[in-house]
Amino acid sequence: AQSVTQPDIHITVSEGASLELRCNYSYGATPYLFWYVQSPGQGLQLLLKYFSGDTLVQGIKGFEAEFKRSQSSFNLRKPSVHWSDAAEYFCAAHSGSARQLTFGSGTQLTVLP
Amino acid sequence: DTAVSQTPKYLVTQMGNDKSIKCEQNLGHDTMYWYKQDSKKFLKIMFSYNNKELIINETVPNRFSPKSPDKAHLNLHINSLELGDSAVYFCASSQEGRGRSNQPQHFGDGTRLSIL
Repeated sequence: AQSVTQPDIHITVSEGASLELRCNYSYGATPYLFWYVQSPGQGLQLLLKYFSGDTLVQGIKGFEAEFKRSQSSFNLRKPSVHWSDAAEYFCAAHSGSARQLTFGSGTQLTVLP
Repeated sequence: DTAVSQTPKYLVTQMGNDKSIKCEQNLGHDTMYWYKQDSKKFLKIMFSYNNKELIINETVPNRFSPKSPDKAHLNLHINSLELGDSAVYFCASSQEGRGRSNQPQHFGDGTRLSIL
């Protein structure tokens, strides 16, 4: 069965520190991969996406993600976290023909001053 | 300017009532979705419509009935509301076309449904 796993339920970092949020997928073929962010009381905003080509993708708000086929991973990174980055982060995958997103369970990010 | 808009944003109602949530997108997309986010923030697809045709209908009680009057609208009607229906319901849209699609989905801000 297709699945997306985010192993970390909650991560706490200090403002200015670097960040890496983990995401692993289990699909028959490489799916299309996405990272979304959900601020409290808000909807989901697309941060970045990977379809093919360069395995390091740049997104909005200074985020980037690296696709590693050998590890079935698509981890999200940011070199220096800002207090406004505190939110829930969701990794999602789409097989292209299924027309539906499968979401990971989310990682709650807390940023300490 | 809102791309995907849902109304109402908050809905508080009693068990047993019938309620509707409306969704509209102005992106010109051909596919719309309803997702349910539970209290643990887990997001799960409920329904998907492509050009007003139902294409995804996950295991959802038949008290939930989606209706798509046109490509830009997808409403969700819920009969006989139960306590377990309390959740945040998200509408989304994307341009899928035919065959494989790599287009991202755009989400509304959600409707927070609370059943008393």
